[in-house]
Amino acid sequence: QSVLTQPPSVSGAPGQRVTISCTGSSSNTGAGFDVHWYQQLPGTAPKLLISRNNNRPSGVPDRFSGSKSGTSASLTITGLQAEDEADYYCQSYDSSLSNVVFGGGTKLTVL
Amino acid sequence: QVQLVQSGTEVKKPGASVKVSCKASGYAFTSYDISWVRQAPGQGLEWVGWISGYNGNTNFAQKLQGRVTMTTDTSTSTVYLELRSLRYDDTAVYYCGRGGYVHGYDYWGQGTLVTVSS
Repeated sequence: QSVLTQPPSVSGAPGQRVTISCTGSSSNTGAGFDVHWYQQLPGTAPKLLISRNNNRPSGVPDRFSGSKSGTSASLTITGLQAEDEADYYCQSYDSSLSNVVFGGGTKLTVL
Repeated sequence: QVQLVQSGTEVKKPGASVKVSCKASGYAFTSYDISWVRQAPGQGLEWVGWISGYNGNTNFAQKLQGRVTMTTDTSTSTVYLELRSLRYDDTAVYYCGRGGYVHGYDYWGQGTLVTVSS
């Protein structure tokens, strides 16, 4: 099991809005460590989508947004497009493990 | 532009060692950390460890302690990951990424497939 918990899959029709959750604990997200989000298209390296909870790197469309509250974080995609079909991962730091930790990943299907 | 270019595919026998490289360009090498992340076939991302580009300090995933080494060559802006006593479950694509846990990893290498097979 991953230290950060994500739903295995989510889906939505083109144009819709989807949200992916990422739940941690008092030693990681609840301890104030930031959450980052990555998009991974099949056969490619991950791409940083959201940094430090809610910051979009240059070039990332504003359809992607992030938030964090307490032990949980979420990634929201609005105006869903076919090209958004990918795996999404959250990442934080765990003070008990003294390690970076990832969520198990969420597969987004665009119907 | 920032680039991380990794070495090629490796096939190793159980118990052997592997050394994967990640050559950085397009930025001040000593100003950033480099982390390694691996992904077993059909699985999620797993953090392997990081190394400071500034002073070579390292931190490794607990489950890999004792089997992993990371080094830098500042003259060539290259980071090396060495994994020893390879097991079948070390089979994965190994990625290097620039950055750390504070800001996330903003640039990634193309990945190196390491296959452990008898």
